[in-house]
Parts: sequence; structure tokens; C-alpha cells
Amino acid sequence: NAGVMQNPRHLVRRRGQEARLRCSPMKGHSHVYWYRQLPEEGLKFMVYLQKENIIDESGMPKERFSAEFPKEGPSILRIQQVVRGDSAAYFCASSPATGLFNQPQHFGDGTRLSIL
Amino acid sequence: RKEVEQDPGPFNVPEGATVAFNCTYSNSASQSFFWYRQDCRKEPKLLMSVYSSGNEDGRFTAQLNRASQYISLLIRDSKLSDSATYLCVVPYTGGFKTIFGAGTRLFVKA
Repeated sequence: NAGVMQNPRHLVRRRGQEARLRCSPMKGHSHVYWYRQLPEEGLKFMVYLQKENIIDESGMPKERFSAEFPKEGPSILRIQQVVRGDSAAYFCASSPATGLFNQPQHFGDGTRLSIL
Repeated sequence: RKEVEQDPGPFNVPEGATVAFNCTYSNSASQSFFWYRQDCRKEPKLLMSVYSSGNEDGRFTAQLNRASQYISLLIRDSKLSDSATYLCVVPYTGGFKTIFGAGTRLFVKA
């Protein structure tokens, strides 16, 4: 499967624990995006990364959330000291390098995070 | 004004009907636009890309009106399988932040 791979599909954490969500982009894609979707709501942009660089993190909460896309390995979205309000579906998308006309993003299956 | 605005619906239509959704955007510099569909609890899937005045793919037609800053999606001969939420997507020029509309829900009934 050459699509965007996210894992785990489902993640359960207790309040105060850490959550790590992983995303491997499609082959040949160098741009990764993370989105959060609350139940019955639309997708909210969180962060846009290229290899080893955070390009736009304007959608990330100021505390507890961080993202990285290392030279080797998947992109990681990390949530520290999770709270009930972090329960959501987290989607990762990837695209090839963009120019003036943006390329469409391709999405992974998402990680459903549940906080007990 | 919201950056990307869609009529949430729901639109309830019978099989075979023609239905159209509109999406308005605020950033006049946006150059490209996309329509995605999202089924319940699944990932968004690309439906159409719109780079110029419009695009057509089978029963689906997307049109762009730059002067009025809206894009539309027309679905002809609706099928039961078209039932989904349709998301309008506007990337910012230069490829940074991407704004998704809240989506328009469509129910096609037999």
C-alpha cells in the first residue's frame, strides 16, 4: 500500500498521559499536514511540515502539542498530559512539493484518540 | 466573514436528482481549490481539483467564480452512494495553511 499510513488507528489514553501519533507520507511526498476533527465538526488545520522543518504551526495549541518530521522515519504528532478535550480524530495528509498551484493532499485513515 | 464557508445542509434528494453546493472563500489570492468527500468516520477523499474556471468528471462538475469568490459542485443523476459530506478546500497561496469548509451533508434516498 503506497498510501499515507497512520498508526495506531485507535489510541486510548488516560488523562495526564502522553499520546504519540505517527504518519508516513505517500512515497515521493515531502509535505505533511496534520488535522484534528472533533465529532460532528470539520477538519481543523494544525501544522504543516517538510522534512526536518515546521513550516506553519499556526493551528497548533500553544501548549502540550508538538510535531516533527525527522530526516528518517515518520512524522510524529505528540500530545503531552492529555485531557478529555483532546479526544478527536487526527488525520495526516501528504502532498508533493507545491508551487503556485497547490497539489491536492492525500489523507491517511486517521487515528481516533480517546481520553478516559 | 469565515475564510471558507459552506451551507451545512443537510440536502435530502431522491435518486436521480441534480444537486448543487456552493462554497465561498475570503482570500482573493487563492489559486487552487479542491472538493473532497468524507464518509462517516472515514478519511477525506479527493473528488475534484479546480485550477481555472472549472472541471468536469462524469456526473460531477465544479465551477469557479473568481469575481464573486465562490466555487460550486454540481452532482447530476444522484446515486445512493453519493451520500456523504462534501468538503470545500482552499489552500493559501504558497502552500501553507489549508482551510477546510465545515462541509455540506448530502443524503440521497431511494
